Amino acid sequence: DVKVTQSSRYLVKRTGEKVFLECVQDMDHENMFWYRQDPGLGLRLIYFSYDVKMKEKGDIPEGYSVSREKKERFSLILESASTNQTSMYLCASTHGGGTYNEQFFGPGTRLTVL
Amino acid sequence: AQSVTQLDSQVPVFEEAPVELRCNYSSSVSVYLFWYVQYPNQGLQLLLKYLSGSTLVKGINGFEAEFNKSQTSFHLRKPSVHISDTAEYFCAGTQGGSEKLVFGKGTKLTVNP
Repeated sequence: DVKVTQSSRYLVKRTGEKVFLECVQDMDHENMFWYRQDPGLGLRLIYFSYDVKMKEKGDIPEGYSVSREKKERFSLILESASTNQTSMYLCASTHGGGTYNEQFFGPGTRLTVL
Repeated sequence: AQSVTQLDSQVPVFEEAPVELRCNYSSSVSVYLFWYVQYPNQGLQLLLKYLSGSTLVKGINGFEAEFNKSQTSFHLRKPSVHISDTAEYFCAGTQGGSEKLVFGKGTKLTVNP
């Protein structure tokens, strides 16, 4: 089975801290995604990566950056955390080369910024 | 750009009753459509997908959905729900040529005894 893991289920940080959220997949997927999920807003795409060192902005990239140095790992970085970044963060991955490939999701990281 | 609209934010039903969760999409090109389920404190899991072919798609846990091009809809149905179906359900779609998903805002299904 495909497994997508995220480094933390719950995280509490202070305003201004640099925050790293890590995601690892074990199925050699080309594409990886970071979403944030907020009540009443559904999932919104922050960034995605279609290959190592390649990235593309999603719908809400402001305040975030990403890093993909290895195929299996995709990191989301909050350079200076703010309270409006308190949210659930979901990572997903899928094979490249087809728009119909199922995205596999990690369990999520609930981030609270105080 | 494609958008996906879920018409109900919350749907309460009694156990063993039928349920329909509504989803409409907007697009001028061919689409691929998905329903995902999120159980409490978990990530999203694929229920079913429509790529092409038969407009009636069957998924896991007894769910099915019907693709209706004339009404631009992809409603999710189950003839008899269980308590364990309590979860949030997301409709999502892609537009031809894109590997990104566009999600609806979700529908919280609560099944009461």
